[in-house]
Amino acid sequence: AQSVAQPEDQVNVAEGNPLTVKCTYSVSGNPYLFWYVQYPNRGLQFLLKYITGDNLVKGSYGFEAEFNKSQTSFHLKKPSALVSDSALYFCAVRDSGATNKLIFGTGTLLAVQP
Amino acid sequence: DTAVSQTPKYLVTQMGNDKSIKCEQNLGHDTMYWYKQDSKKFLKIMFSYNNKELIINETVPNRFSPKSPDKAHLNLHINSLELGDSAVYFCASSQISSGNTIYFGEGSWLTVV
Repeated sequence: AQSVAQPEDQVNVAEGNPLTVKCTYSVSGNPYLFWYVQYPNRGLQFLLKYITGDNLVKGSYGFEAEFNKSQTSFHLKKPSALVSDSALYFCAVRDSGATNKLIFGTGTLLAVQP
Repeated sequence: DTAVSQTPKYLVTQMGNDKSIKCEQNLGHDTMYWYKQDSKKFLKIMFSYNNKELIINETVPNRFSPKSPDKAHLNLHINSLELGDSAVYFCASSQISSGNTIYFGEGSWLTVV
């Protein structure tokens, strides 16, 4: 069965510093991987996805993610964190089968201190 | 011009009541979903419809009944509400093909008292 793991419940970073939110995956076949962000009392907003091609994927709000097949990882990164980036981040993988179902990780709370 | 819109955003109701949450998407997608986010923020799919046909039906109490009158709408009806039904319910839509992005609504916060 497809799954993703987010090993950190919370990541703390100072404004202006680079940030990384970790995600590892376990899939059979080629992985389709996604990152979403949830601001307080809001819905999930799509950030970026990896389907195929370049291992470095660029997304919204200056975020990027690096697909690493050997380490089965898809970490989310940003060179310089903003206080407004503080939110809950979810990694997800498309489930196998004919449906386009997403399997979500447990989420990582990013706290950016001014 | 909201892509996926759901109503109501907040709902407080008593145990035993029946309630519905409505969802509409204007993205022209052929597939819609209901996800549930529990108090620990864990997200899990409940149902999915493709062109008005049910294609995903996870292990959900049969008090929950989705209805899709057309491919732009997917409603969720919940009978005999229980305290444990308190959660955030997200509607979403996409094209069915692999790798297509799923777009989520703003969520409906249901509190059962």
